[in-house]
Amino acid sequence: QKEVEQDPGPLSVPEGAIVSLNCTYSNSAFQYFMWYRQYSRKGPELLMYTYSSGNKEDGRFTAQVDKSSKYISLFIRDSQPSDSATYLCAMSAEQTGGSEKLVFGKGTKLTVNP
Amino acid sequence: ETGVTQTPRHLVMGMTNKKSLKCEQHLGHNAMYWYKQSAKKPLELMFVYNFKEQTENNSVPSRFSPECPNSSHLFLHLHTLQPEDSALYLCASSFGGAKNIQYFGAGTRLSVL
Repeated sequence: QKEVEQDPGPLSVPEGAIVSLNCTYSNSAFQYFMWYRQYSRKGPELLMYTYSSGNKEDGRFTAQVDKSSKYISLFIRDSQPSDSATYLCAMSAEQTGGSEKLVFGKGTKLTVNP
Repeated sequence: ETGVTQTPRHLVMGMTNKKSLKCEQHLGHNAMYWYKQSAKKPLELMFVYNFKEQTENNSVPSRFSPECPNSSHLFLHLHTLQPEDSALYLCASSFGGAKNIQYFGAGTRLSVL
């Protein structure tokens, strides 16, 4: 079983739709959860960061973490064509010493159609 | 543009060439990373440097040789590459630690002929 599973899509939705993106993971030690957005020909940029379980909201974006199910989600409300990008989940565990590794999902390619 | 700058943005090289990728970060971070991004695969961590010291080499072939002269600069020296090495090479930096939020450059799109 891969450490992080993410459906690569592609996912195509009409403008204004609510988008749900998800990742599952197997390592129960993961405590830090991130969503990155990557536009075509660009590097990934951090979109949302969550520690442990719970919800976090930032404008039209909501990140949810359910550690009991090892499942994280990113919701996008009122989706816009400018949200068209690849969304990557990433997570890391608390370890002693050094820089903890981020483990990434494959990314989900989202297209929002006007 | 982000605080992490990568050059060149595009590179085409033959299998016998030697080239270098450059990364510079202006964020005051102490950790720098090289990743390989191929289609339909997760980001693959290649190397990690923390305060100029290499702390991770993720079983990367020796035809990839990293160099970190200081905490702000990172190089990836390439020689005798294979066509399967064609990918987007991303540099990232962070303050390290458990939270480890990483900031990425725009990447170098490498094609090996």
